[in-house]
Amino acid sequence: SQQGEEDPQALSIQEGENATMNCSYKTSINNLQWYRQNSGRGLVHLILIRSNEREKHSGRLRVTLDTSKKSSSLLITASRAADTASYFCATDAGGSGNTGKLIFGQGTTLQVKP
Amino acid sequence: EAGVTQSPTHLIKTRGQQATLRCSPISGHTSVYWYQQALGLGLQFLLWYDEGEERNRGNFPPRFSGRQFPNYSSELNVNALELEDSALYLCASSLGGVGNQPQHFGDGTRLSIL
Repeated sequence: SQQGEEDPQALSIQEGENATMNCSYKTSINNLQWYRQNSGRGLVHLILIRSNEREKHSGRLRVTLDTSKKSSSLLITASRAADTASYFCATDAGGSGNTGKLIFGQGTTLQVKP
Repeated sequence: EAGVTQSPTHLIKTRGQQATLRCSPISGHTSVYWYQQALGLGLQFLLWYDEGEERNRGNFPPRFSGRQFPNYSSELNVNALELEDSALYLCASSLGGVGNQPQHFGDGTRLSIL
């Protein structure tokens, strides 16, 4: 079952511009994570934001979380060609207990043109 | 610090055969997770192992099984392979026993069924 829905599905920008990707989910969560995947390779963990947090930063990345709207956004500032990849949000199953299961969205494909 | 390592990188099998995929977690991580990324289906949770025990299982048939060894490495076994098992299989690890921990992924094993 799909928990997260990413928007847009694809995004093409010029180097130096900012990129914003959005994620919506359906049920309550304990945390939300963002990952990057370069073509055909593994996932790189970017940021984990807990349900009681509203914003987190890591370098050029900024993640926001709005639990009332069940949505999150990932902002990449001053994009580089090397940021070209697919970006996924993933939520835990929420509720009590730790299920170990992450539920992924379908991802946003970002292309940064040099 | 070495990341999550998976072997082999590629595996080619025919229908009906059995496949074994291996994963070594990050040092100090006791939890290992397996995910399947098939075309058109996205990332799907398969299994979670912690301290040698299976803790949770996704919606996959019993021919998908695995185990975790005393050194916390893990194996995923897929029996009676079917064409639709062709996918990228990703292993992740995290600190075990508590929630809100990021899962760190390896580069995956690409399984092709002929």
